[in-house]
Amino acid sequence: QLQLQESGPGLVKPSETLSLTCTVSGGSISNSRYFWGWIRQPPGKGLEWIGTIYYTGTTDYNPSLKSRVNISVDTSKNQIFLRVTSATAADTAVYYCARSLLDEYQLPSSGIAVPGPSLIDYWGQGTLVAVSS
Amino acid sequence: EIVMTQSPATLSVSPGETVTLSCRASQSVTRKLAWYQQKPGQAPRLLISGASTRATGIPARFSGSGSGTEFTLTISSLQSEDFAVYYCQQYNNWPPMYTFGQGTKLDIK
Repeated sequence: QLQLQESGPGLVKPSETLSLTCTVSGGSISNSRYFWGWIRQPPGKGLEWIGTIYYTGTTDYNPSLKSRVNISVDTSKNQIFLRVTSATAADTAVYYCARSLLDEYQLPSSGIAVPGPSLIDYWGQGTLVAVSS
Repeated sequence: EIVMTQSPATLSVSPGETVTLSCRASQSVTRKLAWYQQKPGQAPRLLISGASTRATGIPARFSGSGSGTEFTLTISSLQSEDFAVYYCQQYNNWPPMYTFGQGTKLDIK
């Protein structure tokens, strides 16, 4: 049974860096069929995709967050990591770690098929991070 | 960015009824559309992928349809455990960029 467990500080001060870890058990992050990533949900609001990573280290980010976000992976520990710099109150949210199935996409310019993340089939339970002084 | 719009925002229904939730994409996503259910204090759960394929363990009373820009999720014979928030999500972008609808909340009438 696959399990994703988020961990990290529940309170971050404004302008500091929000850092979270997702530990995967019951499956390998190095499985080539899957991508891994982060989604967040501000209290009482909807879901916002933050970004995904492949076990090789290839990443994709939400353009609205790209300048402040970094997702990394440690395959030896079966963990992925999220860093959000210059945190503000707008970053207060429940942060979910998630697994995505791999799908193929055609590059618009060349028509070459490349792998990319698709739907999310497993979610962690989520962890609330508040940004406040 | 592909914008996903769900309607209605809230739906009040009685157990046993059948409901249809709508999701519209700002441009075609072919059939790369998923539906998720989220109960209070829980993570979302995958219900439907590829617009109409039920995920493992999802009851047959949940059905999805549509393609291109218009999609629906139908829940027949509503059970008490179905009252939750439902989100649609498209995964047809390159470069990858997930976008979710704003959600439809199913309330008990």
